[in-house]
Amino acid sequence: GAGVSQSPRYKVAKRGQDVALRCDPISGHVSLFWYQQALGQGPEFLTYFQNEAQLDKSGLPSDRFFAERPEGSVSTLKIQRTQQEDSAVYLCASTPGGQGVWGQFFGPGTRLTVL
Amino acid sequence: SQKIEQNSEALNIQEGKTATLTCNYTNYSPAYLQWYRQDPGRGPVFLLLIRENEKEKRKERLKVTFDTTLKQSLFHITASQPADSATYLCALDMSNTGFQKLVFGTGTRLLVSP
Repeated sequence: GAGVSQSPRYKVAKRGQDVALRCDPISGHVSLFWYQQALGQGPEFLTYFQNEAQLDKSGLPSDRFFAERPEGSVSTLKIQRTQQEDSAVYLCASTPGGQGVWGQFFGPGTRLTVL
Repeated sequence: SQKIEQNSEALNIQEGKTATLTCNYTNYSPAYLQWYRQDPGRGPVFLLLIRENEKEKRKERLKVTFDTTLKQSLFHITASQPADSATYLCALDMSNTGFQKLVFGTGTRLLVSP
């Protein structure tokens, strides 16, 4: 595709519900990143994939957060038993990967509101 | 722990002037630093990357400097336009494993008035 897409753009969940957020990176991009952005803050790293391998998940806030990229393209971030503190914008980014240093291409984000 | 500071207050300037935004960091020596623009309701957009061995980088009306001794980067927009109004984020690469692990500042909001 022309850019990184994310769906849904907005998600409202009741506390305790599970949610799944989808990211479609730029076609052919090897590296995929998830970030969490609270209001008025910069994005915070959650996890990183190189193809289907999750190489770093050190930023995931708790074991309620789970991310996958089974075929090395589309990725899903799942949050189980959502809490109010999970309310934030979840951003996905991708880069071509491999050798070299890249600027990251971000999607528009999914705004999650937990009531 | 790593700390990245950007002016939390909005920067208000008049059209045509040069905007200068500051990014200061502590406790790390990043190999490079990136600047992004973010508009409300949108994801960040990559603008410029500068490496530790580069003092200055330019792209059209944008200029970035990187002083590893002062642990500071300055981001300049010359001949600013109202369309430049946005939040600007700096980001450092914190990974030493070969992939990017960016740590972002909180961003500085720039308002350019006609």
